Amino acid sequence: AQSVTQLGSHVSVSEGALVLLRCNYSSSVPPYLFWYVQYPNQGLQLLLKYTTGATLVKGINGFEAEFKKSETSFHLTKPSAHMSDAAEYFCAVTRTYNTDKLIFGTGTRLQVFP
Amino acid sequence: KAGVTQTPRYLIKTRGQQVTLSCSPISGHRSVSWYQQTPGQGLQFLFEYFSETQRNKGNFPGRFSGRQFSNSRSEMNVSTLELGDSALYLCASSPEATRGEKLFFGSGTQLSVL
Repeated sequence: AQSVTQLGSHVSVSEGALVLLRCNYSSSVPPYLFWYVQYPNQGLQLLLKYTTGATLVKGINGFEAEFKKSETSFHLTKPSAHMSDAAEYFCAVTRTYNTDKLIFGTGTRLQVFP
Repeated sequence: KAGVTQTPRYLIKTRGQQVTLSCSPISGHRSVSWYQQTPGQGLQFLFEYFSETQRNKGNFPGRFSGRQFSNSRSEMNVSTLELGDSALYLCASSPEATRGEKLFFGSGTQLSVL
């Protein structure tokens, strides 16, 4: 069963515009949620994570995400896109304890136009 | 502090051969996990090791195997390579399995099977 759904495999924005990447999850236990970024031919870099506590999470490079339990969502936003934000973004969840096993969404490729 | 190191960075093999990929975790990290990334299937979990014991295994055929040594370094092996095994193989490490909270990824090994 799909545990993480990222809506939109490709998102295009103009430089300076709002970035919104969508992620919905399913979990039978309180989830830990993550957003990773991947630049071409590189590994995964953690942008931000939600474990417990404050539901609005701030990450690197001006990104933030809000955990909404009622909507089972963890959407990623950035107020103003920069050309350097062009990359692929992955949402991920861990659903069980005592493991680092991540279940990833299918990814969203972000394009930023000048 | 050195990050997660994966060797080799690139590898070209032919069908039917076998391959071994290596992962050196961050110093002090005892948990290592592996992922396969392909354009068609996305990021899929392969295995997770902690203190030389396999804790979790993904849904891959028996041709895929791994192990962890006493110094926490890990290797994965793929025997009888198939074209579909062409992928980016990512390794990640953490101090101990904590639901991905302290997980760091390497840059990956790009395997091409001809």
